[in-house]
Amino acid sequence: DAGVIQSPRHEVTEMGQEVTLRCKPISGHDYLFWYRQTMMRGLELLIYFNNNVPIDDSGMPEDRFSAKMPNASFSTLKIQPSEPRDSAVYFCASSRPLLSLGYPSGANVLTFGAGSRLTVL
Amino acid sequence: DAKTTQPPSMDCAEGRAANLPCNHSTISGNEYVYWYRQIHSQGPQYIIHGLKNNETNEMASLIITEDRKSSTLILPHATLRDTAVYYCIVRGRSGGYQKVTFGTGTKLQVIP
Repeated sequence: DAGVIQSPRHEVTEMGQEVTLRCKPISGHDYLFWYRQTMMRGLELLIYFNNNVPIDDSGMPEDRFSAKMPNASFSTLKIQPSEPRDSAVYFCASSRPLLSLGYPSGANVLTFGAGSRLTVL
Repeated sequence: DAKTTQPPSMDCAEGRAANLPCNHSTISGNEYVYWYRQIHSQGPQYIIHGLKNNETNEMASLIITEDRKSSTLILPHATLRDTAVYYCIVRGRSGGYQKVTFGTGTKLQVIP
């Protein structure tokens, strides 16, 4: 199991450019989350999907941000146009339910990727 | 989900037990307590979770008070690699709702 895979690990771009961040969740996980982390605001939930369907995008800061999950093994977070205040580390996470004695326990664990560090100049 | 309160920072001597408290006085009966940690520049990592019984795994122990209004994460023999931000999260049993939000956590500094 390679874990949650994110790309690129680092991205430096100029203001106004389009940025696309990619995520491959762990196979079999049916929830996918996008988080953003900055020093000022900490770890913020942007959007999450269940079975490829967006469930809650209330954390998406504005219309410049969009996320898609075309299939169970791939998701993108796009920023267009990018601005310097979008500079942050973006994390993708996927979730699996935990079993207890072979039955769903009701608990879930998030596994995070290594993150994509975005710098917008 | 119930709100949690954690001290912003703590120090612990290497080799000693690190005891990280979390207050979740508004927790409801069907909510789990989860702990994650984030080592500098890495993604958060799951540590342990519990409902009402104390739990132990290879990483840590979780002690939940009888009234479930607070809990303590115990790292029995802290090492320098345990220096990280530790997040306590309370959320309900899985169903249709999976939103997981992180607070500010406790920054644990393990001192040589």
